[in-house]
Amino acid sequence: GAGVSQSPSNKVTEKGKDVELRCDPISGHTALYWYRQSLGQGLEFLIYFQGNSAPDKSGLPSDRFSAERTGGSVSTLTIQRTQQEDSAVYLCASSLGNRVRAYEQYFGPGTRLTVT
Amino acid sequence: QKEVEQNSGPLSVPEGAIASLNCTYSDRGSQSFFWYRQYSGKSPELIMFIYSNGDKEDGRFTAQLNKASQYVSLLIRDSQPSDSATYLCAPHNAGNMLTFGGGTRLMVKP
Repeated sequence: GAGVSQSPSNKVTEKGKDVELRCDPISGHTALYWYRQSLGQGLEFLIYFQGNSAPDKSGLPSDRFSAERTGGSVSTLTIQRTQQEDSAVYLCASSLGNRVRAYEQYFGPGTRLTVT
Repeated sequence: QKEVEQNSGPLSVPEGAIASLNCTYSDRGSQSFFWYRQYSGKSPELIMFIYSNGDKEDGRFTAQLNKASQYVSLLIRDSQPSDSATYLCAPHNAGNMLTFGGGTRLMVKP
C-alpha cells in the first residue's frame, strides 16, 4: 500500500518568508509525528498528533512553528518568518496509534528546507 | 545523561564480519524497542523491534534486550557493504512516542 508522502520534496525560501510543509500519513494510521533533522545530526522531535486528542507540541523550537492536522489525516507544518537555522530535512512519520504494534513509526521521504 | 545513548561511530567492520551496535536508555518504563536504519540522504526505515528480554532474530539481524541493564543491541551477521548506514535505537516511552538516539554510523568495508 501507499506509504507516508510529503510535499514538497525540496523547498528553497528566503529568510523571513513563511513556508508550509505537507504530510499525508498511511491510511488508517491515527498517530502522526513531525521531526527535524539537520545535516549530520539526529532526529529532533517537533510535534505529535494522536487521533482527536490535543497534540503534543513540546518539541516545537519556537512560536514561529505550528502544525495542524485536518480530519485526522493530512497534516501541515507551518514555519513563519523563516530563519537560516530552520534549514533542515523535515520528516513526517505515522503509526497505528493505540493498538497492537502501535508504536512502529513509518517515515515519509522528507522535505529538505533551505533558507537563504 | 541523554535519554538514549549510542556511540556515534563510525564503526568499521570488514565484509562478512559481525557488526555489534549498542544502545543504553534511561527510562526504566520503556517496554518496546525499535531499530531503524538510515541511509545517507534517506529517511529512517524500521528494521527490527523487540519487546521481551532476550534475543530476537530476523534473518541476518538479531536484537538483544536486557531491561535490567537498560541495554539493547543489534547484531548484524555476515555484514555486507549495503549494510553501511546509520542505525538508530528508539525506545518507546510513556508519552506514547519513540525517543531516538543519535545513531551509530556503520561502515562495512569490502
